[in-house]
Amino acid sequence: SQQGEEDPQALSIQEGENATMNCSYKTSINNLQWYRQNSGRGLVHLILIRSNEREKHSGRLRVTLDTSKKSSSLLITASRAADTASYFCATGTMNRDDKIIFGKGTRLHILP
Amino acid sequence: NAGVTQTPKFQVLKTGQSMTLQCAQDMNHEYMSWYRQDPGMGLRLIHYSVGAGITDQGEVPNGYNVSRSTTEDFPLRLLSAAPSQTSVYFCASSSFGNTEAFFGQGTRLTVV
Repeated sequence: SQQGEEDPQALSIQEGENATMNCSYKTSINNLQWYRQNSGRGLVHLILIRSNEREKHSGRLRVTLDTSKKSSSLLITASRAADTASYFCATGTMNRDDKIIFGKGTRLHILP
Repeated sequence: NAGVTQTPKFQVLKTGQSMTLQCAQDMNHEYMSWYRQDPGMGLRLIHYSVGAGITDQGEVPNGYNVSRSTTEDFPLRLLSAAPSQTSVYFCASSSFGNTEAFFGQGTRLTVV
């Protein structure tokens, strides 16, 4: 079963605007990760935020985590055409041998 | 470093045929996994391994076998291909199950 659920399923914005995607999950986690998938390619890891962190930045990416609401958001600032991709959240449990569980993803389309 | 290498990239099988999808990683990761990705379904875990000689089932293991004789390799075997196994298959590796995963480029499999 998939733990993470991304929202919205699809998003289209103008180049230069900010894009926000949300992820909700159901059980306690050790960390939450965001991945990007360009069409027809493998997933690429973007950022990992641990359960004791509330916010993390990486370049134009900003991730927040609210463990009380079991939710996370990914903000991409000043979007570019190259940001067009699908974005997935994945949750990791406390057990290091346990697997990460992916959501169904948000399809982001940046309009020129 | 090559990272995670999957072969072949594309494959067409006839119903009932068997084949092996290859996956190799050169990062000395203990954890390896196989996912399938279908439209609108996100990634679903087929099988995973926490180290050489140890494998376990994921969400959708039926029709697939795996083995892990070395740290580097984690082949996925389709025993008797069915049209329902038409999908894109991804192999991933990570230091532990709940940490950053590195993905291969995928194998697009069509069963006719």
